[in-house]
Amino acid sequence: NAGVTQTPKFQVLKTGQSMTLQCAQDMNHEYMSWYRQDPGMGLRLIHYSVGAGITDQGEVPNGYNVSRSTTEDFPLRLLSAAPSQTSVYFCASTTRGVSSYEQYFGPGTRLTVT
Amino acid sequence: GIQVEQSPPDLILQEGANSTLRCNFSDSVNNLQWFHQNPWGQLINLFYIPSGTKQNGRLSATTVATERYSLLYISSSQTTDSGVYFCAVVRGTINEKLTFGTGTRLTIIP
Repeated sequence: NAGVTQTPKFQVLKTGQSMTLQCAQDMNHEYMSWYRQDPGMGLRLIHYSVGAGITDQGEVPNGYNVSRSTTEDFPLRLLSAAPSQTSVYFCASTTRGVSSYEQYFGPGTRLTVT
Repeated sequence: GIQVEQSPPDLILQEGANSTLRCNFSDSVNNLQWFHQNPWGQLINLFYIPSGTKQNGRLSATTVATERYSLLYISSSQTTDSGVYFCAVVRGTINEKLTFGTGTRLTIIP
């Protein structure tokens, strides 16, 4: 099991460029999420998905798009990068039990927008 | 939205010491979780604890939902416990909509 993988690990973009952050999980989890972490802060939810074909917005969705065509993959698209999107991005997948709930996080993508 | 406050913001301890980290939240919650982010940035889920007490080795957590706080206890600290500890809560019914606190940075000195 590779768990949750993210690519790339690092990326530098110029203002106005677009790109896709990749996230994949091999645990057959239905639930997946994208977060951003800014310096000295906790994580903030960007978008989440409760299954293939179903996505919804989190706390800070502006400037980002997602889609979920398969259970395994949940890419995050930056439409027109802005310096305010400089951050570390984490993807997570979630397993649920009757009285349990656990997220598995990817290693993160550090994005700098100049 | 719901506010999540963690204290203390920073904590420096000698190896072997015990510590208590606190998480206060401003409204009733359906989900509360504790996470550890190690110095290399990796995030690990520690506890799912909307109420009651749980223990896992040297770590334990207690949530008193009626008084809107949760505590994370770390006993006999080791250097590998260093990092940032986050509390995160869910106000509604969608458990993916976590709101994170700003964390407690724990540094364990050998």
